[in-house]
Amino acid sequence: DAMVIQNPRYQVTQFGKPVTLSCSQTLNHNVMYWYQQKSSQAPKLLFHYYDKDFNNEADTPDNFQSRRPNTSFCFLDIRSPGLGDAAMYLCATSRDGPDGSGSGANVLTFGAGSRLTVL
Amino acid sequence: RKEVEQDPGPFNVPEGATVAFNCTYSNSASQSFFWYRQDCRKEPKLLMSVYSSGNEDGRFTAQLNRASQYISLLIRDSKLSDSATYLCVVSPGPGGYNKLIFGAGTRLAVHP
Repeated sequence: DAMVIQNPRYQVTQFGKPVTLSCSQTLNHNVMYWYQQKSSQAPKLLFHYYDKDFNNEADTPDNFQSRRPNTSFCFLDIRSPGLGDAAMYLCATSRDGPDGSGSGANVLTFGAGSRLTVL
Repeated sequence: RKEVEQDPGPFNVPEGATVAFNCTYSNSASQSFFWYRQDCRKEPKLLMSVYSSGNEDGRFTAQLNRASQYISLLIRDSKLSDSATYLCVVSPGPGGYNKLIFGAGTRLAVHP
């Protein structure tokens, strides 16, 4: 089935040790997002790619970076994880219409998430 | 004030009960509205979009009140499988890949 796949599902790292989380999709969606969700909180958008164009949220710390080498893959790099970065990281995709009208684009398909623990 | 606010709950209801959740949003220019469902330690999944005229999908009914800037979700004949967190989601634009603003969710627990 077409889907959004995140790896690893669970990641344990030490304070300050870089981490990379990956996301792949077979939906051929042109928009990909990374959300951070802490316990009992709303998912918080970190950044998103519209095709190759990177869009950072103003309050996303510099510690978080992203790469999208092709349509199917997107990576989240956390350069120096702190205890406060422990969270579920959710990748999502959506499709914008060919004319940019966004028909159906607001429907997000999420991956199962990568749960990060920082020791 | 948060952009999207929800009562966190939990709402504890017996099977067969009717339960309603409300959500308020602060941006009066918001155009698109949704309810997502999130099971414990799982990803959010779209439950239903919310249309101006209100819409129904089986046991679920969504309503939008633009004047008061709130959205509601009504669940009739609750099932055990309805136990989850329900996220209210708002988009500032009419379409496109506009940023979706998530509420923190309302937790529902349906018991036998």
